[in-house]
Amino acid sequence: SQTIHQWPATLVQPVGSPLSLECTVEGTSNPNLYWYRQAAGRGLQLLFYSVGIGQISSEVPQNLSASRPQDRQFILSSKKLLLSDSGFYLCAWRDYNSPLHFGNGTRLTVT
Amino acid sequence: TQLLEQSPQFLSIQEGENLTVYCNSSSVFSSLQWYRQEPGEGPVLLVTVVTGGEVKKLKRLTFQFGDARKDSSLHITAAQPGDTGLYLCAGGRGGADGLTFGKGTHLIIQP
Repeated sequence: SQTIHQWPATLVQPVGSPLSLECTVEGTSNPNLYWYRQAAGRGLQLLFYSVGIGQISSEVPQNLSASRPQDRQFILSSKKLLLSDSGFYLCAWRDYNSPLHFGNGTRLTVT
Repeated sequence: TQLLEQSPQFLSIQEGENLTVYCNSSSVFSSLQWYRQEPGEGPVLLVTVVTGGEVKKLKRLTFQFGDARKDSSLHITAAQPGDTGLYLCAGGRGGADGLTFGKGTHLIIQP
């Protein structure tokens, strides 16, 4: 069966510091991978998605970037965090036309 | 622009009561998913509906997809405290670019 791992679960970072969140999927090949951010009262916002190694699509202009160095690894990064980057970050995967399956999320607080 | 409107935003009822929550859009979706999310965790898929007018049942939960594939409802019979959570609907258009999520309905079932 497929599993998705996301870490860390919680992160507190000062403004201006870098960020790296990692997500890996097991039990499937060539999945579509997604990064969502969930802010209170605003629902889930799609940040990035990837259909293959090195292929990244960005949905909104922002202070963040994403990379997919391996088939089942998806990384969310920032060079300098802003206060507005605080939120609950969710990684998800799916095979073509199947439902999304989410990781357990990372709670990021920028102070 | 919020493409999926969920209502009500908050709902608190007593154990044993019935309830219905709604997910509405002006857009047509090829599929619609319902997820349930608990605090600090990722959303968990409950059901996917793909055919206009489709009705699916999951124990005490009944999901319906509108005939025009623009709206959906979730009905819970004899609600229990374990049903407490954030219920999210999400629409898909069949592409690789992820799902569009509503803001969710926060449901509290009081014992």
